[in-house]
Amino acid sequence: GDSVTQMEGPVTLSEEAFLTINCTYTATGYPSLFWYVQYPGEGLQLLLKATKADDKGSNKGFEATYRKETTSFHLEKGSVQVSDSAVYFCALSDSAAGNKLTFGGGTRVLVKP
Amino acid sequence: GAVVSQHPSRVICKSGTSVKIECRSLDFQATTMFWYRQFPKQSLMLMATSNEGSKATYEQGVEKDKFLINHASLTLSTLTVTSAHPEDSSFYICSARGHLNTEAFFGQGTRLTVV
Repeated sequence: GDSVTQMEGPVTLSEEAFLTINCTYTATGYPSLFWYVQYPGEGLQLLLKATKADDKGSNKGFEATYRKETTSFHLEKGSVQVSDSAVYFCALSDSAAGNKLTFGGGTRVLVKP
Repeated sequence: GAVVSQHPSRVICKSGTSVKIECRSLDFQATTMFWYRQFPKQSLMLMATSNEGSKATYEQGVEKDKFLINHASLTLSTLTVTSAHPEDSSFYICSARGHLNTEAFFGQGTRLTVV
């Protein structure tokens, strides 16, 4: 079945540091890939997405590129802020599985001033 | 983006009682809604998928008689936790997807505490 694996946290960074969160996936079909962010006590917000190989999703300074050859969708941001402290979830949606979202375990990021 | 509203955001109930959680799509018609459960510091676990006017499809291991899901209209789905017990305490999140959307939009979640 489909699965998503992402690096475990917590990841603790200083403000303006470079952030990378690794994400790899397995899927039976041709999935769309997503990064969601969850702030404390809240639901999930879509951060960015990519629907086909080599697509790059970007939003709020975050980027991720759909790499079919390595089945990866790593999230990056060049200069993090304290407000980026949250839990980040990598996910896929596979048409072969009814377009249900499959989530990774989540990575908690803490940015210190 | 589209807005999904979930209510209540927090609820405390006594053991043995039932609790209803509402999920509304405010500005689009949600043909499919999803209900998730999230344990502390863990990922989201899909509980069930519901299509408007149809019975919900439950994931393996989820008790359909305990977690009643109704999706009677294109803008509203409800999850009722029946005869709640302390082990049902969790964060429940809904998401909704429209007919033309590949993207699912999430509610803000409901923190259920059973005492």
